[in-house]
Order: sequence, then C-alpha cells, then structure tokens
Amino acid sequence: NAGVTQTPKFRVLKTGQSMTLLCAQDMNHEYMYWYRQDPGMGLRLIHYSVGEGTTAKGEVPDGYNVSRLKKQNFLLGLESAAPSQTSVYFCASRKTSGGPFSGANVLTFGAGSRLTVL
Amino acid sequence: DAKTTQPTSMDCAEGRAANLPCNHSTISGNEYVYWYRQIHSQGPQYIIHGLKNNETNEMASLIITEDRKSSTLILPHATLRDTAVYYCIVSANYNQGGKLIFGQGTELSVKP
Repeated sequence: NAGVTQTPKFRVLKTGQSMTLLCAQDMNHEYMYWYRQDPGMGLRLIHYSVGEGTTAKGEVPDGYNVSRLKKQNFLLGLESAAPSQTSVYFCASRKTSGGPFSGANVLTFGAGSRLTVL
Repeated sequence: DAKTTQPTSMDCAEGRAANLPCNHSTISGNEYVYWYRQIHSQGPQYIIHGLKNNETNEMASLIITEDRKSSTLILPHATLRDTAVYYCIVSANYNQGGKLIFGQGTELSVKP
C-alpha cells in the first residue's frame, strides 16, 4: 500500500515550458487536492476534485489546469511555466468515512514535488 | 468552510506540555476541527480531529470549548521531534464540503 505517490519529485523548467505533475493514490479515496507551498508560507489550495471527472478551483488556480480522468489519478498541469510558480507542490487525498458524521475523513499527503522555474 | 486563526510561532521546553491554540469563531454546527503538522518540508501529517467533545489519541489531546469557537491542541510531553508547523483547519464532513483551506499554521520550536 503506497498511499499517495507524486511524480516527479524534482523538476527544473525554463520559463514558458509546460509540464504535468502526477498524483496517484491507491486507497480508493474520492477527494483529491493539489496544494503549493512557497518558502516560509503555509499551504495554498490550487485545485481539488470531489470525484472522477470533476474538478474545482481552490485559492490560487490561475496558471494551472487539472484533470481527474481516473479515480486514482489527479494531474496538475502548467501550460506555460513562470518563475512565480517555483514552489513545492503537495498532493493529498481524502478518505470517505462510513457515515455523514463519523468525521474520519482525514487527508493523506504525498511527499511533495519540488519545481523550479528559471 | 470556516476560517481559523493561530499564533505564528511558539516555543516549548522539551518534556513540557505544548499547548497550541486555534480560534475558529465562525465554525458551523457540522464542521469538525482537524489538526495536522508538517515536519521540515515533508508532507503534512494528520494528528487528531473532533466535533465538540474532547479527544485524545496516542499523539495528542484536543480540547474544544463549549461554544466551539476555539480549540487547543496539547502535546503532553513535547520532544525535539515535535518541532514542526501545526495547522488547525475546520471542515464539514466528506459529503458536505470539498474545499480544505490551510492557514499559516503555528511554528512550534521545542528546545532542550
């Protein structure tokens, strides 16, 4: 049971290049999230998904696109990378519990993907 | 989801209890309080959560005030390995809210 796996772990891009970060989870979680974390800052939500085929915007969605074609995968795309997108990106998935008030829907995070845009 | 307010940083002596406060004055009746921590650039890790009763697990205790407008995470015997950023978030349950917003968190430094 690998949990949440992010690839790649490190990447350096030039301004204007495109790339995709892949998040894969093997826990059959419904919800998945992409966050970014800049140095000395907290986590900021980019996009999230409440199920296969659905996505929604978070706090800082501009410059990113996402897709959730399969339940286990959540892809984060940068179409034209900018230096302001240099950050550590964390993916997370959320367990669904057995009942509406059981409260057991905790987030499981990946190890992060460190992206540098020159 | 309701917003939370936490102190930016706190210090604690090793072996003493660390008490981390969180204000969530606009919390709704169906929202839970969750605590996570992040150790030096790793992915955040779940600690504990609660609705209105105090909760305890092997990592920590969570005390929620009767009006639910604030809570305190207690690490009973802090160690150097507890040095981390601690995040308090409030969220409706899985089928009532998808967006999970983290604030800046509290940077806890445990000192020898």
